[in-house]
Amino acid sequence: EAGVAQSPRYKIIEKRQSVAFWCNPISGHATLYWYQQILGQGPKLLIQFQNNGVVDDSQLPKDRFSAERLKGVDSTLKIQPAKLEDSAVYLCASSVGTIGYQETQYFGPGTRLLVL
Amino acid sequence: QQPVQSPQAVILREGEDAVINCSSSKALYSVHWYRQKHGEAPVFLMILLKGGEQKGHDKISASFNEKKQQSSLYLTASQLSYSGTYFCGTEHGGFKTIFGAGTRLFVKA
Repeated sequence: EAGVAQSPRYKIIEKRQSVAFWCNPISGHATLYWYQQILGQGPKLLIQFQNNGVVDDSQLPKDRFSAERLKGVDSTLKIQPAKLEDSAVYLCASSVGTIGYQETQYFGPGTRLLVL
Repeated sequence: QQPVQSPQAVILREGEDAVINCSSSKALYSVHWYRQKHGEAPVFLMILLKGGEQKGHDKISASFNEKKQQSSLYLTASQLSYSGTYFCGTEHGGFKTIFGAGTRLFVKA
């Protein structure tokens, strides 16, 4: 079974530029998560989708971050404009999503973003 | 409210045991445990869904004390492959999993 795919794996941009990350969850998984992991910290949930609906985006900085999951499959996360403090690993995860919680989350390899 | 993990870091020799604790100030509905090796994605270890539940596979097990709002991860007879950062993730009745800051475990030969 193929795992969660993410691209790109690495990205270096200058502050005030924009960047987009892509995630393809495990086939058939209804729930998709985007996490931000700053060096030395645990993953912080940015947004959670169930199919193509948003379940939680309370910690998404909506003035600069946006995410969409068209057709309930793959997803993109965008930052516009980027700030220095956005330097982090952006992890995408998915779960079967039959109930939306208390489920095993399968993580992708992440995108390492460095903002200069 | 982020769960608190302790210790922050631990160094073991192969074959030694370790306990990692995860506590929350809010009522817990479930607790997840993940291990992340340097530069890699977190990998699921186990999830505990109700108070008093204990789970384990191989030499890694965990318990969930609902009344104390805490969970513990037990690593027995540690192996070099156990090295990494262990995260607990807590759920409090909503859909969101909140991860702790992690416990860094280093096992040396």
